[in-house]
Amino acid sequence: AQSVSQHNHHVILSEAASLELGCNYSYGGTVNLFWYVQYPGQHLQLLLKYFSGDPLVKGIKGFEAEFIKSKFSFNLRKPSVQWSDTAEYFCAVIFSGTYKYIFGTGTRLKVLA
Amino acid sequence: SQTIHQWPATLVQPVGSPLSLECTVEGTSNPNLYWYRQAAGRGLQLLFYSVGIGQISSEVPQNLSASRPQDRQFILSSKKLLLSDSGFYLCAWSVDNSPLHFGNGTRLTVT
Repeated sequence: AQSVSQHNHHVILSEAASLELGCNYSYGGTVNLFWYVQYPGQHLQLLLKYFSGDPLVKGIKGFEAEFIKSKFSFNLRKPSVQWSDTAEYFCAVIFSGTYKYIFGTGTRLKVLA
Repeated sequence: SQTIHQWPATLVQPVGSPLSLECTVEGTSNPNLYWYRQAAGRGLQLLFYSVGIGQISSEVPQNLSASRPQDRQFILSSKKLLLSDSGFYLCAWSVDNSPLHFGNGTRLTVT
């Protein structure tokens, strides 16, 4: 079955620390990949997306993600987090040939000032 | 510009009562429409999606159903609510494989 896994459920970092959140999917075909963020009390918003081309994609607010096809992974990174990055982060995948848009379980990030 | 309307924002219903949540999209044609349930620690669970009028794909077997009577209208229903149906329900739309656009959500409490 098609699925998306986020292994880090809760992450706590100090400001200026580097961030990497894992995302893996189970599907051997073509996928489109997304990271969304949900700040406390707010709606989901798109951080970045990957459709094709350069596997390293840059998004808003200094976030980037790398698609590694051989590992079925799309990890989110940020070199130096800020207190304002405290939020829940969701990886999402849409599988080629379907319109199924599947989300991971989310990672709650808390950044300590 | 495109907008998505979802209502009601909050709903308190007794166990065994029916449910109808409505979602409409403006400013786009033939969108793909989605219903999700968001629960803490479980992310967004895909419940139903639709790629056209009358076409519904169900992802989770449960006592909920969905209908798409018009191109830009998506309805989530239940004949008899269970306590376990409590949660935060999100409607969303996209065109082709573009990023999803979400409604404001409905907080459903079944008592």
